[in-house]
Amino acid sequence: SQTIHQWPATLVQPVGSPLSLECTVEGTSNPNLYWYRQAAGRGLQLLFYSVGIGQISSEVPQNLSASRPQDRQFILSSKKLLLSDSGFYLCASDGGEANTGELFFGEGSRLTVL
Amino acid sequence: KQEVTQIPAALSVPEGENLVLNCSFTDSAIYNLQWFRQDPGKGLTSLLLIQSSQREQTSGRLNASLDKSSGRSTLYIAASQPGDSATYLCAVPTLSYQLIWGAGTKLIIKP
Repeated sequence: SQTIHQWPATLVQPVGSPLSLECTVEGTSNPNLYWYRQAAGRGLQLLFYSVGIGQISSEVPQNLSASRPQDRQFILSSKKLLLSDSGFYLCASDGGEANTGELFFGEGSRLTVL
Repeated sequence: KQEVTQIPAALSVPEGENLVLNCSFTDSAIYNLQWFRQDPGKGLTSLLLIQSSQREQTSGRLNASLDKSSGRSTLYIAASQPGDSATYLCAVPTLSYQLIWGAGTKLIIKP
């Protein structure tokens, strides 16, 4: 089975500062990768997905961006954080070349923007 | 447009009881349905994936069923334990890489 690593686990940043959240996947190759955000008391919102290196699709217009520099690396970034960017960010991966449709999640990165 | 509903929103039962969580969806043309659990402040753990051609899947004390024609899935938890306390989410995929999520059922198992 695959393992998804996310870091940092917790982050407190001032408004206007940059952001970089990293996600790496082990145990699979050529996966589809996803960034979700879960605001307090709310459901999961898909932010970005990627079907391959350098291929990013955005689901929600915002001041966040994503990049996929390697097959199993997915990065979420911002040049200037807003208060509304606070939330719990989850990276997810499907099974890659052994994909059955099952989605696997990392442990999440909790971002607080002050 | 697909909508996913989970009932109840919260459930509190004594340890040892068998229980059923419900997930309903409006469009029966689904590829699969997945059940997850989320512990407070943690990521999501995949519990069971049911393909559209399957009627049920089992993993340990968990059994998930799928009835596409009625737009329903149930997650059955046998002999509940305090460690089962978590929020349980169901989700179905769309054609555009999106997952449509239920709002979750918060389960508390009392010792």
